[in-house]
Amino acid sequence: DARVTQTPRHKVTEMGQEVTMRCQPILGHNTVFWYRQTMMQGLELLAYFRNRAPLDDSGMPKDRFSAEMPDATLATLKIQPSEPRDSAVYFCASGLVFGTSGGPPETQYFGPGTRLLVL
Amino acid sequence: KQEVTQIPAALSVPEGENLVLNCSFTDSAIYNLQWFRQDPGKGLTSLLLIQSSQREQTSGRLNASLDKSSGRSTLYIAASQPGDSATYLCAVDDLYSGYALNFGKGTSLLVTP
Repeated sequence: DARVTQTPRHKVTEMGQEVTMRCQPILGHNTVFWYRQTMMQGLELLAYFRNRAPLDDSGMPKDRFSAEMPDATLATLKIQPSEPRDSAVYFCASGLVFGTSGGPPETQYFGPGTRLLVL
Repeated sequence: KQEVTQIPAALSVPEGENLVLNCSFTDSAIYNLQWFRQDPGKGLTSLLLIQSSQREQTSGRLNASLDKSSGRSTLYIAASQPGDSATYLCAVDDLYSGYALNFGKGTSLLVTP
């Protein structure tokens, strides 16, 4: 049963500390998304990769957030320094795009999320 | 920017009732529309995906319709059960969002025994 995995599932940290969240997409998927969910804003896109290349990170505060895909089996989202307003649930999702059409993946499969609390 | 709205924000119904959840979006140039389910403290589970060329999709007691020209979708749940209690999220992807999903705020459903 293929699943997207995320670690850690929960993280409590103090303001100013670095936070790194990891995602393992479903094997063979070539598209990875990072979303953030808060009560006020709902689910918002932070960054989006295809074939490990970043295609859209316009939703991310560039001064403190960074997203990378060191290899096809790992995506990371880093916050440095963290702030209380970063407290949220961070979801990773993966999907598969066929061919070279550049269109969206048919379905995005979501991980369980990382629940982050910055004190 | 694509705006997705879901009505109602919350809904409580007795078990056995049929119900309809509504979703509207502002830009009709979408590729797909998806309905997700989210249980408290959990991730998202995809329920139904409707491609822009399709009108509806069905899975068990769930039926989702899409009227792309008017920017609307409905999720119909037949014979609701307490296990259907969850938040239901509607999302669309389009060229301008880079194919990322634009989500509504969700409808929180409670089905009482």
